[in-house]
Amino acid sequence: DTEVTQTPKHLVMGMTNKKSLKCEQHMGHRAMYWYKQKAKKPPELMFVYSYEKLSINESVPSRFSPECPNSSLLNLHLHALQPEDSALYLCASSQDLVYTEAFFGQGTRLTVV
Amino acid sequence: GQQVMQIPQYQHVQEGEDFTTYCNSSTTLSNIQWYKQRPGGHPVFLIQLVKSGEVKKQKRLTFQFGEAKKNSSLHITATQTTDVGTYFCAGSQSGGGADGLTFGKGTHLIIQP
Repeated sequence: DTEVTQTPKHLVMGMTNKKSLKCEQHMGHRAMYWYKQKAKKPPELMFVYSYEKLSINESVPSRFSPECPNSSLLNLHLHALQPEDSALYLCASSQDLVYTEAFFGQGTRLTVV
Repeated sequence: GQQVMQIPQYQHVQEGEDFTTYCNSSTTLSNIQWYKQRPGGHPVFLIQLVKSGEVKKQKRLTFQFGEAKKNSSLHITATQTTDVGTYFCAGSQSGGGADGLTFGKGTHLIIQP
């Protein structure tokens, strides 16, 4: 199994809603990432988890809250988002933090209304 | 902070023509990775270069890493319609995901039959 699975694939939420994005991998990877990608732009790193601990938070607003319940799962909790937060949210994993390729999920396309 | 520049932003070619995208970093990189993202898809890992002056080939694709480890290129020979997509370089100073990947802006390859 070389897949990173993200759910849901599409999400529309209001600015007062609370929702969660989910990511799962069963490759035994110990590093997991959240990226945000706007149309025709490169992915921008949001968070890095290493061995289930948050190692990087790239100055992301607190309305985005990551969680890593175990080594296979990564969540992104969303609360009080703004329309400009609409984007493709990509989860990725890699075997570890050094010299390894990243496997990306198909992403969740989020629209904030 | 680390910056990775990539040119050109868009490239239109006739099917069968060659294509090259270039990546330059403001700082020395430990490694560089290349990803391809099809329209509506997610980034897919192509290759990783680690050594100074390294050259790697995958069928019609040739990847180079500069001697100073500050630049890289991807060359596609005799493009096919399946090559359509955005090609991103992604660099790391730390050697991998420890500080996440910094993506170039990408080169959007458009192929005219």
